[in-house]
Amino acid sequence: DAGVIQSPRHEVTEMGQEVTLRCKPISGHNSLFWYRQTMMRGLELLIYFNNNVPIDDSGMPEDRFSAKMPNASFSTLKIQPSEPRDSAVYFCASSSGRQALYEQYFGPGTRLTVT
Amino acid sequence: GESVGLHLPTLSVQEGDNSIINCAYSNSASDYFIWYKQESGKGPQFIIDIRSNMDKRQGQRVTVLLNKTVKHLSLQIAATQPGDSAVYFCAEKLRNNAGNMLTFGGGTRLMVKP
Repeated sequence: DAGVIQSPRHEVTEMGQEVTLRCKPISGHNSLFWYRQTMMRGLELLIYFNNNVPIDDSGMPEDRFSAKMPNASFSTLKIQPSEPRDSAVYFCASSSGRQALYEQYFGPGTRLTVT
Repeated sequence: GESVGLHLPTLSVQEGDNSIINCAYSNSASDYFIWYKQESGKGPQFIIDIRSNMDKRQGQRVTVLLNKTVKHLSLQIAATQPGDSAVYFCAEKLRNNAGNMLTFGGGTRLMVKP
């Protein structure tokens, strides 16, 4: 099993540019989570999907952030326009979503730097 | 100027000693708890979990203790090794939440001295 796959691993962009982060969850997992990790705020949940449907996006900072899950094997997190304060490590995690199987498996993360 | 960041509690232990990392959780309605280990430059990795109907669970070199009365969770690592150096997070799941959402604590940094 390849685990959760994220791309790119590193992204450096200029303020105002659009950034798209990608995630492939573990095959068969029904829940997908996007997190952001910074020194200031620690690990924050941005949004999560269950069966490709967004369940809770209350953690999304503002309208510049959007996430989609067009199918069970792919999700994107988009920032448009990006700002320096968006610099962080963004993690995607997936979970079985089935009863009593709650463990989330994290990807390696995308380190985003906005200059 | 000096940057202000999240202050992580730090536990420093000698190699070979036992480590105890503590976590206070917030919600009495939580029914599942999990410990993650995050090494530098990597995503959090599962260590061990425990359900609210249990007080203790043991894994390989690790033990999790749950005290629901005071809403306290601890992770014990036996014979701590340099490879155990990492940030450790506890997380809780509320009963009946859709999609298995976890709420993470702020983390504790474990430093193992050789």
